[in-house]
Amino acid sequence: RKEVEQDPGPFNVPEGATVAFNCTYSNSASQSFFWYRQDCRKEPKLLMSVYSSGNEDGRFTAQLNRASQYISLLIRDSKLSDSATYLCVVNKDTGRRALTFGSGTRLQVQP
Amino acid sequence: DGGITQSPKYLFRKEGQNVTLSCEQNLNHDAMYWYRQDPGQGLRLIYYSQIVNDFQKGDIAEGYSVSREKKESFPLTVTSAQKNPTAFYLCASNLGGQNYGYTFGSGTRLTVV
Repeated sequence: RKEVEQDPGPFNVPEGATVAFNCTYSNSASQSFFWYRQDCRKEPKLLMSVYSSGNEDGRFTAQLNRASQYISLLIRDSKLSDSATYLCVVNKDTGRRALTFGSGTRLQVQP
Repeated sequence: DGGITQSPKYLFRKEGQNVTLSCEQNLNHDAMYWYRQDPGQGLRLIYYSQIVNDFQKGDIAEGYSVSREKKESFPLTVTSAQKNPTAFYLCASNLGGQNYGYTFGSGTRLTVV
């Protein structure tokens, strides 16, 4: 099983749609969770951290389910500019102080 | 403005050559990281450093070397022992530890010719 697993997509959605991505992680001891956005041939950029109680930033909502070991990202009212690859990121274990990245889910928002 | 600068943006290496990728940050971050990304794949950790003069191997350290002589700088050398070095190399930094998200540089694309 991969340490961080994501559906690669692509998810093709029309403008204005709501879309959700899930990500599963293998290490139950993981403590930190993030969503990053990566545009084609660019560096990843931090979209949002994921907190235990869930958190929202504008049109973006992140949720954490520790029992089932997955995190989710919900995007409401999709814009063309949301088209990108979304990377799920967790800390692998508390012994190694570096983050582990999923392979990403590609989103294509269509006019 | 604070940030991370990677250079060069594009690099071509001949077979058997060592090349060094530069990474400089002025964010006053303690920790710095090197990742490699292959097409259609996620980022894989090469090396990381939590403090000056100390660094640890990541998942794919073979064929790479690093140094951390200054807080601001974390250069990566791709040696001739790295058999498949063509990739997108990303340097990142944060305040230290896995509880903080990273700030990334804009990356270096290395191609073996």
